[in-house]
Amino acid sequence: NAGVTQTPKFQVLKTGQSMTLQCAQDMNHNSMYWYRQDPGMGLRLIYYSASEGTTDKGEVPNGYNVSRLNKREFSLRLESAAPSQTSVYFCASSEFLLAWETQYFGPGTRLLVL
Amino acid sequence: DQQVKQNSPSLSVQEGRISILNCDYTNSMFDYFLWYKKYPAEGPTFLISISSIKDKNEDGRFTVFLNKSAKHLSLHIVPSQPGDSAVYFCAASEGETSGSRLTFGEGTQLTVNP
Repeated sequence: NAGVTQTPKFQVLKTGQSMTLQCAQDMNHNSMYWYRQDPGMGLRLIYYSASEGTTDKGEVPNGYNVSRLNKREFSLRLESAAPSQTSVYFCASSEFLLAWETQYFGPGTRLLVL
Repeated sequence: DQQVKQNSPSLSVQEGRISILNCDYTNSMFDYFLWYKKYPAEGPTFLISISSIKDKNEDGRFTVFLNKSAKHLSLHIVPSQPGDSAVYFCAASEGETSGSRLTFGEGTQLTVNP
């Protein structure tokens, strides 16, 4: 039982390049999330998916797109990377979209945009 | 507009003593609060939570206190152990209507010295 896995662990991009961050969970959770963590800012929600087939914007969605490919997988795409998107990205999942449901986080993807 | 604030970026305590981590919030609609713990190069892990209908919740060495009138919560760790050294994030949710969309504080780095 791997929990939440993320690939890649680390990536360097040039400004304007695109890439997709992959996330998968094996806990049969319905809800999945993408956060970014920046120094002094805590974690900020980018997008979330309450259940398979649905996605919604979080606090900082600009510059990103997401796909809930199936119940297990939730990907985050940067179409044209910018230096401001340099950050650590965390994927998380929870059984349902309820306040008291524990969110389980992946180990993170460290992204550097030059 | 930082709705959840952790004003102490770091805290250092001696092993066996009490660690007190503080968190303030501004959004009066928040009614569910959580603490997450994060080790380097790992994702955050859930530690303890509290609903706004309570003012205290205890789990082993960890106790969370909520003062709704002051919009303040704190995490007490007694006794502190070197393995507790990590970054601690407080997070808040507006409850059932907004599900698990969490707003995180900036984090406090706790160092427990042997």
